[in-house]
Amino acid sequence: EAGVTQFPSHSVIEKGQTVTLRCDPISGHDNLYWYRRVMGKEIKFLLHFVKESKQDESGMPNNRFLAERTGGTYSTLKVQPAELEDSGVYFCASSQPLFGPNTGELFFGEGSRLTVL
Amino acid sequence: SQKIEQNSEALNIQEGKTATLTCNYTNYSPAYLQWYRQDPGRGPVFLLLIRENEKEKRKERLKVTFDTTLKQSLFHITASQPADSATYLCALALSGGYQKVTFGTGTKLQVIP
Repeated sequence: EAGVTQFPSHSVIEKGQTVTLRCDPISGHDNLYWYRRVMGKEIKFLLHFVKESKQDESGMPNNRFLAERTGGTYSTLKVQPAELEDSGVYFCASSQPLFGPNTGELFFGEGSRLTVL
Repeated sequence: SQKIEQNSEALNIQEGKTATLTCNYTNYSPAYLQWYRQDPGRGPVFLLLIRENEKEKRKERLKVTFDTTLKQSLFHITASQPADSATYLCALALSGGYQKVTFGTGTKLQVIP
């Protein structure tokens, strides 16, 4: 079974440009998360989808960030316009809900590294 | 505000010894806690889950404890090996089901041959 895939793996853009990151979760996983790791800092929560609905978007930095999850499948995270402080590695993860014997384990993609110049 | 803090400094230990990593949280009442391993340039990988009503969990050379009174989890790797060198992350969720999962700051472990 395919894991979580993210695209692109690395993006270099100039300040003011737009970038769209894509995440394909594991099929059948209702939970989809976006996280960001800025150099030397912790993995910070951005938002959480349950199927196609935003369950929690309290970590989104500002309205330059827009996340969508089409039909409860893949998700996109758009940054428009990008600023220097948006540089970092954006991770996507998916999971099944923690019920019963399920561990609620998050399966992560390899991340999309964003560099804003 | 809610915080999840791990050993801020990197942890260096000799091969064969037991590594102990700490995860402390404040202003949280998590329903469960997970531990992940992250290698450079890779996404985190799940290791263990422990629920709030469990005191200890084991898996091969790994052991996790969860003290909801102290608001602390300890993660032990016994008979450590150089291949155990990585960053280890704890993660908390307030409930099961469709849960938000929040990560700690991470501890970098280096096992010296």
